[in-house]
Amino acid sequence: SQTIHQWPATLVQPVGSPLSLECTVEGTSNPNLYWYRQAAGRGLQLLFYSVGIGQISSEVPQNLSASRPQDRQFILSSKKLLLSDSGFYLCAWSVRGPSNQPQHFGDGTRLSIL
Amino acid sequence: DAKTTQPNSMESNEEEPVHLPCNHSTISGTDYIHWYRQLPSQGPEYVIHGLTSNVNNRMASLAIAEDRKSSTLILHRATLRDAAVYYCILRDHKKVGTASKLTFGTGTRLQVTL
Repeated sequence: SQTIHQWPATLVQPVGSPLSLECTVEGTSNPNLYWYRQAAGRGLQLLFYSVGIGQISSEVPQNLSASRPQDRQFILSSKKLLLSDSGFYLCAWSVRGPSNQPQHFGDGTRLSIL
Repeated sequence: DAKTTQPNSMESNEEEPVHLPCNHSTISGTDYIHWYRQLPSQGPEYVIHGLTSNVNNRMASLAIAEDRKSSTLILHRATLRDAAVYYCILRDHKKVGTASKLTFGTGTRLQVTL
């Protein structure tokens, strides 16, 4: 069966520090991969989307970047964190194909910026 | 994108059926109806999706109105573990890339009591 792993589960970082969140998927090949952010009390916002290695689409301009160095690995990064980067970060995957395919989410990383 | 309307909250007793409504009067012919739920401090979880016909799986049933302008997620026997925010989302299966993102509204917060 397919599984998705995100780490760390929680993270506290000072303003201006770098960030690296990692997501890996097991049990499937060539997945679509997504990074979402959920601010406190709000809905999910899509940050990045990837259909393959090295192929990243950004949904909104921001202080973050994403990379996909391997087929089932998706990394979210920042060189200098801002207070507004706080939130609940979720990685998700779906089978490549029609966009009616379900998305499957990891357990998320709760990021607090001090 | 076509919008959905859901009640803010609902309550149910444990072991009773729960019917969660969703209105989507501007649904297009290529929109699938998806349901996700989010338990506290966890990532969203896919529940079920359908296009025109009613759908059943191990988690729930989806009843779709004949004109497709509304749908109902049915939990046959609610348990305490079903307490979550339930999201009804329309997804156009012809859209690709970031246009295939999931757009979460405020959903329905389901409370289950003994």
